[in-house]
Amino acid sequence: DTGVSQNPRHKITKRGQNVTFRCDPISEHNRLYWYRQTLGQGPEFLTYFQNEAQLEKSRLLSDRFSAERPKGSFSTLEIQRTEQGDSAMYLCASSLVTGVNEKLFFGSGTQLSVL
Amino acid sequence: GIQVEQSPPDLILQEGANSTLRCNFSDSVNNLQWFHQNPWGQLINLFYIPSGTKQNGRLSATTVATERYSLLYISSSQTTDSGVYFCAVEQDYGGSQGNLIFGKGTKLSVKP
Repeated sequence: DTGVSQNPRHKITKRGQNVTFRCDPISEHNRLYWYRQTLGQGPEFLTYFQNEAQLEKSRLLSDRFSAERPKGSFSTLEIQRTEQGDSAMYLCASSLVTGVNEKLFFGSGTQLSVL
Repeated sequence: GIQVEQSPPDLILQEGANSTLRCNFSDSVNNLQWFHQNPWGQLINLFYIPSGTKQNGRLSATTVATERYSLLYISSSQTTDSGVYFCAVEQDYGGSQGNLIFGKGTKLSVKP
């Protein structure tokens, strides 16, 4: 078990381009979450999956954002037509929901800079 | 939505000192977790503690759900404890919604 893995670690893009991030959760975990963090703030919830089903999306997730988790394994987060305001750290987390312990384990994040 | 307030916002300690971080929340919760974000940005889960008391080495946490607060205790602090400590809660809507709301954090600096 190597923990939650995110790629790439850094992404620099020009405004208007599309970007895609990947997250590989801890293998036995059934929930996968996407959060966004800007400097000096706590992480903000974007969306989460229970297995392959996307169960909740934040109002922060505009129609330019889409997330998938095919077959309940890895997940991708795509941002279309990036804007400078999208610059942030994008964090992925996973958990095993048992009803007793729902600890979230975070990856190292993908730092997005939109120029 | 639920509000999460952490105090103090900043804390400077001498190595070896003890400290208490507080998290207040505005509504009933079914999930509360404490995290440490180290200076390299990695978030580490410290405790899952929607109620009661837990201890892990020099760290312990207590959540009094009826009073809507949680405390994180750090004893004999070390320079490696430096970073930002976040409290995160999920409002209790009668089931797990997966939406953890984070506070703004307490930035801890431990001086040698």
